[in-house]
Amino acid sequence: ILNVEQSPQSLHVQEGDSTNFTCSFPSSNFYALHWYRWETAKSPEALFVMTLNGDEKKKGRISATLNTKEGYSYLYIKGSQPEDSATYLCAFSPGTASKLTFGTGTRLQVTL
Amino acid sequence: DAGITQSPRHKVTETGTPVTLRCHQTENHRYMYWYRQDPGHGLRLIHYSYGVKDTDKGEVSDGYSVSRSKTEDFLLTLESATSSQTSVYFCATQVGTNTGELFFGEGSRLTVL
Repeated sequence: ILNVEQSPQSLHVQEGDSTNFTCSFPSSNFYALHWYRWETAKSPEALFVMTLNGDEKKKGRISATLNTKEGYSYLYIKGSQPEDSATYLCAFSPGTASKLTFGTGTRLQVTL
Repeated sequence: DAGITQSPRHKVTETGTPVTLRCHQTENHRYMYWYRQDPGHGLRLIHYSYGVKDTDKGEVSDGYSVSRSKTEDFLLTLESATSSQTSVYFCATQVGTNTGELFFGEGSRLTVL
């Protein structure tokens, strides 16, 4: 069983704050690292898929970086808004695109 | 966008009864997955399929079986439900052939009394 760890487990920030989360994964046999956004009562939605060391992805105020050699990825949210409140999941794929192992997620709550 | 339909969305059953959850996709994706979501565990892979009649086990496959007789349908069966199988079950399809990006259904909440 692969170990994918996310920190912090939960986070509570004020509107306008910038924040970041960490995903740690095995550094050997890397294929891809995924980030998903999961709002309460909905299903997870893909944010980014990164496959190359040094990859940086951006979507609006959300961005992610990848370091496959040391086995970590950061997700950044700039100027958090209440609509950013969700659980952010990362998932690791070792050597094949067909199976993902998910972390337990970082739950973000943004208040006014 | 109703690319994946899960049914039933909610079910309450008793220990020892068989239960089948259905996942139906309209996008002709090859890979389909069943995950369960439990507090403190995140999403865990139960079984997946890489084509019609081609399936394989995931991390938590004990007590579950699957079938895929058509590209669009992936069935998850609990032969004899137990209380430990109370969970929310998510079906997903792989929409990115090379990246493995997943698209999830809306989930099926199963309660086993």
